[in-house]
Amino acid sequence: GQSLEQPSEVTAVEGAIVQINCTYQTSGFYGLSWYQQHDGGAPTFLSYNALDGLEETGRFSSFLSRSDSYGYLLLQELQMKDSASYFCAVYMDSNYQLIWGAGTKLIIKP
Amino acid sequence: NAGVTQTPKFQVLKTGQSMTLQCAQDMNHNSMYWYRQDPGMGLRLIYYSASEGTTDKGEVPNGYNVSRLNKREFSLRLESAAPSQTSVYFCASDRADYGYTFGSGTRLTVV
Repeated sequence: GQSLEQPSEVTAVEGAIVQINCTYQTSGFYGLSWYQQHDGGAPTFLSYNALDGLEETGRFSSFLSRSDSYGYLLLQELQMKDSASYFCAVYMDSNYQLIWGAGTKLIIKP
Repeated sequence: NAGVTQTPKFQVLKTGQSMTLQCAQDMNHNSMYWYRQDPGMGLRLIYYSASEGTTDKGEVPNGYNVSRLNKREFSLRLESAAPSQTSVYFCASDRADYGYTFGSGTRLTVV
């Protein structure tokens, strides 16, 4: 079967840096995406990694290691508005279908 | 505003009733998707449509049907609602940079 593992909850302090990890076991792999979802809202796209390495978009960065079947989302200079759930998702094939992790709830304390 | 529009936002059904969730996108995307999200869980794919005129089952298709009416519209129908179908339903379409754009969701309760 297909599986993605990520921590269920992470707590951090405002202004700090936090890393959310994702490991995957899938029969196919085209790339790893990250989404943010605030309570009561819809998921919004954050980043996509198809190749090994780090992709940076403002305060958010995403990393992928295909050989380790591992990726992470790095959030810097945390703000209270970053309190949300973060999902990793794997593209299995060229049809752009996604397999989703269960999500990590990020709690930010002042 | 460009994006994905879902209706209704909230719905309460009695067991056995039917309803159709509507979804439309104005971004000229080929692929569209219907997901359900249960509390504390990720999204599970119900059905998807890779292009106008085609539909395929996802991970949890039982109890649902879909119609890709045209390139813009992709509807989800519950023929005989069951309490197990209480969930939040999201429609999405794909973006060229490998991201999905989601609608705001439909919160469905079946009593």
